Amino acid sequence: AQSVTQLDSHVSVSEGTPVLLRCNYSSSYSPSLFWYVQHPNKGLQLLLKYTSAATLVKGINGFEAEFKKSETSFHLTKPSAHMSDAAEYFCVVSPAWFGNEKLTFGTGTRLTIIP
Amino acid sequence: DTGVSQDPRHKITKRGQNVTFRCDPISEHNRLYWYRQTLGQGPEFLTYFQNEAQLEKSRLLSDRFSAERPKGSFSTLEIQRTEQGDSAMYLCASRKKTGGESYNEQFFGPGTRLTVL
Repeated sequence: AQSVTQLDSHVSVSEGTPVLLRCNYSSSYSPSLFWYVQHPNKGLQLLLKYTSAATLVKGINGFEAEFKKSETSFHLTKPSAHMSDAAEYFCVVSPAWFGNEKLTFGTGTRLTIIP
Repeated sequence: DTGVSQDPRHKITKRGQNVTFRCDPISEHNRLYWYRQTLGQGPEFLTYFQNEAQLEKSRLLSDRFSAERPKGSFSTLEIQRTEQGDSAMYLCASRKKTGGESYNEQFFGPGTRLTVL
């Protein structure tokens, strides 16, 4: 069994300040972990993925995430928020053994950027 | 643009009617996935295909739902006798599965929003 918990349903930050979106996971197998972003009226886009290589993963648009096995966490961060970052963000888990088939999504975190 | 496309983008129907959605994946992608996303929730896996073969179906996919990918290219998702609880965004995704490589990302389409009155 696998699941993800996104600890905040809504996060608001001012433009230019750091972003932190929190995610905890549970998996019976060694997990693959992903962050996807969903802009209104657009498809889900992969931001970054962890697949048992480096624990600090860098993604697109300046985002990064750190896999912490002891804390079962995979939090998403960005040093400086931009207005274009406003969107819904999903933390996703998949058992590494199954690769990228069985994706389990969290409930999402809506990120609002204050000008 | 050669991304995943879905048609229609919006569908409003009356309870009891049948609806069909289409997904056109990225051309060289051999795996195709369907997900359902209800308001305030993340997408939930429904089913996926390797070429024309349907390899797995979620328990969420009731007998009223059927998906096909007849020629291994586009796919259709049909819902028969729609219910109000079927109102959701239906998402399609595709990826290229080659040999032992398992971590290629899934590319998502914009979705079809279904409203059942």
